[in-house]
Amino acid sequence: QVQLQESGPGLVKPSQTLSLTCTVSGGSISSGGYYWSWIRQHPGKGLDYIGFIYYTGNTYYNPSLKSRVIISLDTSKNQFSLKLSSVTAADTAVYYCARERSSRVHYFDYWGQGTLVTVSS
Amino acid sequence: DIQMTQSPSSLSASVGDRVTITCQASQDISNYLNWYQQKPGKAPKVLIYDASNLETGVPSRFSGSGSGTDFTFTISSLQPEDIATYYCQQFHDLPTFGGGTKVEI
Repeated sequence: QVQLQESGPGLVKPSQTLSLTCTVSGGSISSGGYYWSWIRQHPGKGLDYIGFIYYTGNTYYNPSLKSRVIISLDTSKNQFSLKLSSVTAADTAVYYCARERSSRVHYFDYWGQGTLVTVSS
Repeated sequence: DIQMTQSPSSLSASVGDRVTITCQASQDISNYLNWYQQKPGKAPKVLIYDASNLETGVPSRFSGSGSGTDFTFTISSLQPEDIATYYCQQFHDLPTFGGGTKVEI
């Protein structure tokens, strides 16, 4: 059973960089067929796609966040990470990591439990 | 971005009722449409992929249909454990989600 777990600070100051890590167990992030993704949900709101990284290191970012986002991979630890720079209160959200099936079908089949990140001084 | 418009935004129904949620895409997305269930404090869970395919382990009372721009999600007989918010999500382009439908009893 694949499991994902987010970790990182729950409080970030405005203008600083939000950094989160997703640890994957029960499966290798080095195997093809999946995009390793980040999605966020503003409090009481819908879901917004941030981007993904493939095991090759290829990335795709939501154009609305592209200038501030970096997603990276650490295959030795079976982890992938999110960095979001120059944060504001508008970046306060629950951040989820998820596995996206990337073969003939595309959907998020496994999710982390989510972690609330609050941007505040 | 492709906009996904879900309706209604909320509904109240009784146990055993048939519940229908619609999702409209701002452009043709073929059948690249998934449905998720999210319970309070939990991550979303996929129920339907490719518009009409039931994810393994999901009860058969859940179903989906549609293609192009108009899609429907149905719970054939609402159960107490189905209380949740449901989201559609398209994969034709940059993934985007509908605004959600909160289902209450």
